[in-house]
Amino acid sequence: EAGVTQSPTHLIKTRGQQATLRCSPISGHTSVYWYQQALGLGLQFLLWYDEGEERNRGNFPPRFSGRQFPNYSSELNVNALELEDSALYLCASSLFRGRVYNEQFFGPGTRLTVL
Amino acid sequence: AQTVTQSQPEMSVQEAETVTLSCTYDTSENNYYLFWYKQPPSRQMILVIRQEAYKQQNATENRFSVNFQKAAKSFSLKISDSQLGDTAMYFCAFMIGGGADGLTFGKGTHLIIQP
Repeated sequence: EAGVTQSPTHLIKTRGQQATLRCSPISGHTSVYWYQQALGLGLQFLLWYDEGEERNRGNFPPRFSGRQFPNYSSELNVNALELEDSALYLCASSLFRGRVYNEQFFGPGTRLTVL
Repeated sequence: AQTVTQSQPEMSVQEAETVTLSCTYDTSENNYYLFWYKQPPSRQMILVIRQEAYKQQNATENRFSVNFQKAAKSFSLKISDSQLGDTAMYFCAFMIGGGADGLTFGKGTHLIIQP
């Protein structure tokens, strides 16, 4: 069974541009989580999508947005890129079942570099 | 808000030795889960072990075990008979039941296993 996939592997942009990152969850998983792993800041929760809806977001500005498609894949869009957006962006998928444990399976990440 | 603290930025041990990684957390929640994730240089985040807060028994997975002290809010990871392949970043993480707030991660411990 295929794991979580992310594309592209690397992405280089300049300040002010927009970046689009993609994530395909494990088959049967309905939830997608996005995390940012920036140097010095560690891993931070960005966004949670489930069943096509944004369910929660972390402490990030509105220029970080995304969507989840009917096939449960997801896009993360970062507008008006700033140098500090340079980071590894990790996507994780799970099967949401309410307030019980549901393991998150991580993809390999997209390395975004903003010049 | 939940916080996770890992006080050891880097540790180095010889192959076959036992090593313990420390983690403390802070929360007012009762329904939560604790995890140790491993991130090798390849970047793929892998779940090593999980602990449900309502379980008193410490979790064990082969060479990996935890010491969960709920009252002290401490969650350490013990790796027995360490192997070269254990070299990686190890992240302690916390999740409220259901995962609506995503995972909250510590800053990580870089574990180096020396031959």
